Amino acid sequence: QVQLQESGPGLVKPSQTLSLTCTVSGASINSGSYYWSWIRQPAGKGLEWIGRIFSSGSTDYNPSLRNRVTISMDTSKNQFSLGLTSVTAADTAMYYCARGRTIFGVIVVGESWGRGTLVTVSS
Amino acid sequence: DIQMTQSPSSLSASVGDRVTITCRASQSIGIHLHWHQRKPGKAPKLLMYAASSLQSGVPSRFSGSGSGTEFTLTISSLQPEDFATYFCQQSYSSPPTFGQGTKVEIK
Repeated sequence: QVQLQESGPGLVKPSQTLSLTCTVSGASINSGSYYWSWIRQPAGKGLEWIGRIFSSGSTDYNPSLRNRVTISMDTSKNQFSLGLTSVTAADTAMYYCARGRTIFGVIVVGESWGRGTLVTVSS
Repeated sequence: DIQMTQSPSSLSASVGDRVTITCRASQSIGIHLHWHQRKPGKAPKLLMYAASSLQSGVPSRFSGSGSGTEFTLTISSLQPEDFATYFCQQSYSSPPTFGQGTKVEIK
């Protein structure tokens, strides 16, 4: 059974870069059947899809964040990562990583999720 | 972006109750609608995909229906482990978007 675990600093200063890693166990991120997403939820607000990376390494980002986001993968460590530049207090949120796949032609973004990690942007 | 509106935002129910949660999309999304469950400190869990398909391992008391713009998640007989937050998500168009969530609490 696949497991995903987010890790990274819980506190980031304004204007700096938020960096998180998702370590995947029980499945290979190289598998062509799946793709790997980052999703976040600020306190009191709804969930927001940040973007995803395919096993090929190609990426797809939410237009609202596209100019600040980078998602990458390290197949040797079976990890994928999120980078978010120029953060502000508005980027304070619980950040989740998730595995997705297409089932009978329907894209399922969050077939499996990590528990999430809270990131606070504050000086 | 497609807006997803869930109702109610919270509800109180007793063990054994039938519970229904509604999710409405701002435009037609076919059956590209999924339901997730989240409990404090745990990873969210996919319950239903493609509106009415039960994810493997999910109890059959959960069911989903709908297409187009209106969808429902029904729990036929609420169990103690079902007290959680439920949220819908569309994947018809990018970016995927989510409902605000429905918190199911113990009456």
